[in-house]
Amino acid sequence: AQKVTQAQTEISVVEKEDVTLDCVYETRDTTYYLFWYKQPPSGELVFLIRRNSFDEQNEISGRYSWNFQKSTSSFNFTITASQVVDSAVYFCALSEATYSGGGADGLTFGKGTHLIIQP
Amino acid sequence: DAGVTQSPTHLIKTRGQQVTLRCSPISGHKSVSWYQQVLGQGPQFIFQYYEKEERGRGNFPDRFSARQFPNYSSELNVNALLLGDSALYLCASSWDIYEQYFGPGTRLTVT
Repeated sequence: AQKVTQAQTEISVVEKEDVTLDCVYETRDTTYYLFWYKQPPSGELVFLIRRNSFDEQNEISGRYSWNFQKSTSSFNFTITASQVVDSAVYFCALSEATYSGGGADGLTFGKGTHLIIQP
Repeated sequence: DAGVTQSPTHLIKTRGQQVTLRCSPISGHKSVSWYQQVLGQGPQFIFQYYEKEERGRGNFPDRFSARQFPNYSSELNVNALLLGDSALYLCASSWDIYEQYFGPGTRLTVT
């Protein structure tokens, strides 16, 4: 069975600090996809990134960066120079599903990390 | 382009009643998935539909059912509502199943 663990329930930092959100996953498949979503108070999940299991290159998008390490089954997310608008709940998710497999298990989400950026 | 839309936004029902939630995917997306998010938890997968066929089902009782229409919109039905069904119900659409875009959700309260 697949599982995603986000051990940090809540993180509070002062604006402009860097912050890293941890994500550890479990899966038996060799082919899988990892995701990060942001959920602001409005409730709508906002897609941030997708990573497949064969691509371990780190990715940077503006102030956001992601570190994927298969050896430790981790997919961590760093926000550089945090801003108040970054305050939200962040979810890490995993998908093992393939259409060729004939079925789909959807995304397995962690419990989320509530990030509070104080001005 | 319009994003995923869901209706209604909020809903209050009584235990034992039935409810129908609606979702319209992003234009061009053929896959719709449903998730339940209880307060303080991550979303839990309920169903996935692709081209009007059920492709996946999560660990939810038979009181939960869904369907997808020829225009790719979808309905989620929940019968015999329980207090524990109170949650935010999220619909996601995708071009493929790996990159899902979520709607704003329907907040269901069961009293």
